[in-house]
Amino acid sequence: QSALTQPASVSGSPGQSITISCTGTSSDVGSYDLVSWYQQHPGKAPKLMIYVGSKRPSGVSNRFSGSKSGNTASLTISGLQAEDEADYYCCSYAGRSTFVVFGGGTKLTVL
Amino acid sequence: QVQLQESGPGLLKPSETLSLTCTVSGYSISSGYYWGWIRQPPGKGLEWIGSMYHSGSGYYNPSLKSRLTISVDTSKNQFSLNLSSVTAADTAVYYCARIHSSGSQFSDFDYWGQGTLVTVSS
Repeated sequence: QSALTQPASVSGSPGQSITISCTGTSSDVGSYDLVSWYQQHPGKAPKLMIYVGSKRPSGVSNRFSGSKSGNTASLTISGLQAEDEADYYCCSYAGRSTFVVFGGGTKLTVL
Repeated sequence: QVQLQESGPGLLKPSETLSLTCTVSGYSISSGYYWGWIRQPPGKGLEWIGSMYHSGSGYYNPSLKSRLTISVDTSKNQFSLNLSSVTAADTAVYYCARIHSSGSQFSDFDYWGQGTLVTVSS
């Protein structure tokens, strides 16, 4: 069982928007603005998409955005494209005893 | 461009020690950042293993700490993972990565290796 809870799957049609939630606790997501999101295509390494909750690395499309409310972080992908179909993982700093926790991952299907 | 590449045996027997090395190019480890390991069992999610600063200060996943050693060799621009007494549950793709941090508060993994599959089987 993962420390952060994500839906197992989400889906959307091209052009639509989807949101993936990532629920933690007051010991991780709720206490630190250190949530990151990763995209992973089959057989590939994860790719950083969002860091410190809402910032995008250079080269990542502005269709990807992140936010947080309380103990839940969210990743929104707008204008869905076929290449967005992948697994998405959230990650949070969790203090000086646990350090890092990941979500269980969400499979995004573009219909 | 920062690049990371994992290397090491792909097949181990139960009770053996898993040893992997990550070679970094395009950036000097001694210039900063934490460097760490993440693993992913087949068909499952990501698990943080541990992270090490170039100076040698490190942080380990509490569930693996008793079996784990991470070290840095700045002369070779490499860092390494040793996980002892492996079982089938340690079968996974192992990734090395560079880590952004604010002090010792880890922010994100910005550069990843391609990953290497390690299978534990008798």
